[in-house]
This record gives sequence, C-alpha cells and structure tokens, in this order.
Amino acid sequence: AQSVSQHNHHVILSEAASLELGCNYSYGGTVNLFWYVQYPGQHLQLLLKYFSGDPLVKGIKGFEAEFIKSKFSFNLRKPSVQWSDTAEYFCAVSTYNFNKFYFGSGTKLNVKP
Amino acid sequence: DAGVTQSPTHLIKTRGQQVTLRCSPKSGHDTVSWYQQALGQGPQFIFQYYEEEERQRGNFPDRFSGHQFPNYSSELNVNALLLGDSALYLCASSKGLGNNYGYTFGSGTRLTVV
Repeated sequence: AQSVSQHNHHVILSEAASLELGCNYSYGGTVNLFWYVQYPGQHLQLLLKYFSGDPLVKGIKGFEAEFIKSKFSFNLRKPSVQWSDTAEYFCAVSTYNFNKFYFGSGTKLNVKP
Repeated sequence: DAGVTQSPTHLIKTRGQQVTLRCSPKSGHDTVSWYQQALGQGPQFIFQYYEEEERQRGNFPDRFSGHQFPNYSSELNVNALLLGDSALYLCASSKGLGNNYGYTFGSGTRLTVV
C-alpha cells in the first residue's frame, strides 16, 4: 500500500531562517506529488504540485519543492520564513488517475517573530 | 472562502448514535471525496462519489456510507458511532474523474463522539 512519511512532526524557526521539510513516499508507479498547508482554523490549501517535467517546482508564497525520483522524496523548501508561515504542512501523493490522495501525518511549523 | 461548503461545522454525538454530514461542492465541480483527519494525523481517504455512485473506497468499515445527489452535493453517514470516530471530516470536490483539476477542500466538520 502507498504511504507518505513526513519526518519532522514539529519545527520551530525564527523569522528569516531557511526551511526544509522532508517527505518520502512509497509507491512504485507513477505518482503526482503535492504540498498542502493548513493555517489555524482554515481549510487545506494547495501550495504546489508536481506532475511531470522539471523536478524543481515553485509554488505560492515563495515555497518550492524538489522531486528526487531515486530517493522517493519531495522536500519542501523556503529560503526565508515569515511569522505568517506558521501552519501545518502536509505532503500528499496521488496515483496517476488522481482518484485519491495519500497524506503524510503533517509537520507543524511555528515561526517565532 | 474555500468554495466547498460543509455542514455542520461542529457536532457532538453519543457513542452508538448515527450522524450525517453534508457537503456542497465548489461551483462547476461534480466529484466529491471524503476524508477523515484524526487528531495529529493527516487526512485519510474514505470514499469518492461521481455521477451519484461510489467510485473508490478507502479502508473504512461499512459503518461509513455516503450518497451523492443530482446537484452533486454529498452526504457522509456514520452508523454506530465509536469514540475513535472523533475527527475532522473533510470534503473535497473536483471536476471529473481521473484528474486533479481544481481539487478543493472544505473547512471540515469537527465530530466529537462522547
């Protein structure tokens, strides 16, 4: 069965620090990869997605992620975080037909001003 | 505004009772998926409806059932509630099967079973 692992459950950073959140998945076939963000009290919002092509994808709010097929990884990065980035971040995988998502357990990011 | 509307936002039920949660998809969307997000976990896929039929199902018991109406709205029903059913239930809508076009989540219904 497919699974998604997020290694960092809780990350605390100061403003302007760089961010990298790890995500690994287990699935042998073609996958589509996503990062979602959930701000406190709000719905899940899409940050970025990878379907094919350039493995370095850029999303909203200065986030980017790199797909490394050989490592089954899709890590999220941001060069300089802001207090407003405080939220929970979920990595998700869908199979080629997009019918459902498999989510990681999430990483809570707390950015201190 | 997520575009996907879920009701109610919060609900408290007693163990053994039944509950119905509702979802109205984003305008233009015709596919509805339901997810359960337990505390401290990521959302887990329950099932998906398209053209009023259940098209895919996750690893959830038959106590979880659903329905989709001709206007594309959907209900999630849970019978014989257990304490472990306490979670945030998310609805997501999209357009058509087999694509991720505009996959949009609602804000969820927080179900507490006591």
